Amino acid sequence: DGGITQSPKYLFRKEGQNVTLSCEQNLNHDAMYWYRQDPGQGLRLIYYSQIVNDFQKGDIAEGYSVSREKKESFPLTVTSAQKNPTAFYLCASSLGFSSYEQYFGPGTRLTVT
Amino acid sequence: DQQVKQNSPSLSVQEGRISILNCDYTNSMFDYFLWYKKYPAEGPTFLISISSIKDKNEDGRFTVFLNKSAKHLSLHIVPSQPGDSAVYFCAARTDSWGKFQFGAGTQVVVTP
Repeated sequence: DGGITQSPKYLFRKEGQNVTLSCEQNLNHDAMYWYRQDPGQGLRLIYYSQIVNDFQKGDIAEGYSVSREKKESFPLTVTSAQKNPTAFYLCASSLGFSSYEQYFGPGTRLTVT
Repeated sequence: DQQVKQNSPSLSVQEGRISILNCDYTNSMFDYFLWYKKYPAEGPTFLISISSIKDKNEDGRFTVFLNKSAKHLSLHIVPSQPGDSAVYFCAARTDSWGKFQFGAGTQVVVTP
């Protein structure tokens, strides 16, 4: 059954700690994305990767880092430099970067106190 | 600076009636538009799309209308069903650049 998995569903961290959110896809998609969703705002692009071992900053990359060592995996690290890390994080993938449709994972809700 | 706006955060409609969701955009370079549907605790799923060369696209109960001169698109759901209760996101992109811009979403509640 193809899809995108994100774990964990809920994550709690203390301020000042780095935390890594997992994203795995078995759709054989080249492109992967990380979005952040805050109340009253649209999904905002954090980072994206068009291909393995390559990634680019999105619109709100400050305080985040990513890696793309494997085609199926695109973990996101929320660092202590991120001023407002509490949010709902969504990972997505698409066949290619120019593909019109993105497939989303179920999301991870991160709460930092 | 939000380039895609959904000005109605919520919409309540009776089962069987029409739901109309609106989306406005500011970037005239956008040439592809999508609607996604999101249930609580799930990721958004693709619903319907429209290219800028069209002004209407229909898929079953869902129809998207595009008015390029007004920079406005709408999603019509007819008839509305309880399972349509969800958050609907509008998204837009330019053909030459793969990044999508998303609206803030509209929460639709379909009541019996």
